[in-house]
Amino acid sequence: GAGVSQSPSNKVTEKGKDVELRCDPISGHTALYWYRQSLGQGLEFLIYFQGNSAPDKSGLPSDRFSAERTGGSVSTLTIQRTQQEDSAVYLCASSFYREETQYFGPGTRLLVL
Amino acid sequence: DQQVKQNSPSLSVQEGRISILNCDYTNSMFDYFLWYKKYPAEGPTFLISISSIKDKNEDGRFTVFLNKSAKHLSLHIVPSQPGDSAVYFCAASGSGTSYGKLTFGQGTILTVHP
Repeated sequence: GAGVSQSPSNKVTEKGKDVELRCDPISGHTALYWYRQSLGQGLEFLIYFQGNSAPDKSGLPSDRFSAERTGGSVSTLTIQRTQQEDSAVYLCASSFYREETQYFGPGTRLLVL
Repeated sequence: DQQVKQNSPSLSVQEGRISILNCDYTNSMFDYFLWYKKYPAEGPTFLISISSIKDKNEDGRFTVFLNKSAKHLSLHIVPSQPGDSAVYFCAASGSGTSYGKLTFGQGTILTVHP
């Protein structure tokens, strides 16, 4: 079946602009996660949605970052007033309820000039 | 505070030999461990996992070993193939504040030479 999809695959923006990144999880997966990988770094947890529960936002680096998940499926990660240090690959993953294994999308490569 | 560490940034192995990738963790709340493989410009692909109630899990050429007392896990690939060349990440999850999120190591670049 279809895997996790993300769009756009690449995004170049100017410092100070807002960006929206989209994630479509695997059908039937109730949990959705956002991570980012900065240059030369490992993957860093950002936010986690599980069903209708309040999201775990403990990994969001600042209040410029927010995410929502509509209808328990598609998710959008929004970065307001982008900074150059926001440049990274943003990865989305999904899993079944209470399953530990997460399946990743191809990522969105964000470059802030 | 890096809770999951992969101390070898890179590993080079001859085709047909064994590749051993290592990972150490510090958080005692971690109880599930995973290995992912990542090619350039792609997302991580799940390889194999192990629960803390086991000390070994095998899937084809891939075996993961867990030593809870040492807080150490390793991934063995045998025989190694050139197509295995990629970045390998270990990751951990657990209960409490670790629930629902994976903590990743920095990755090890594996190169398998023909």
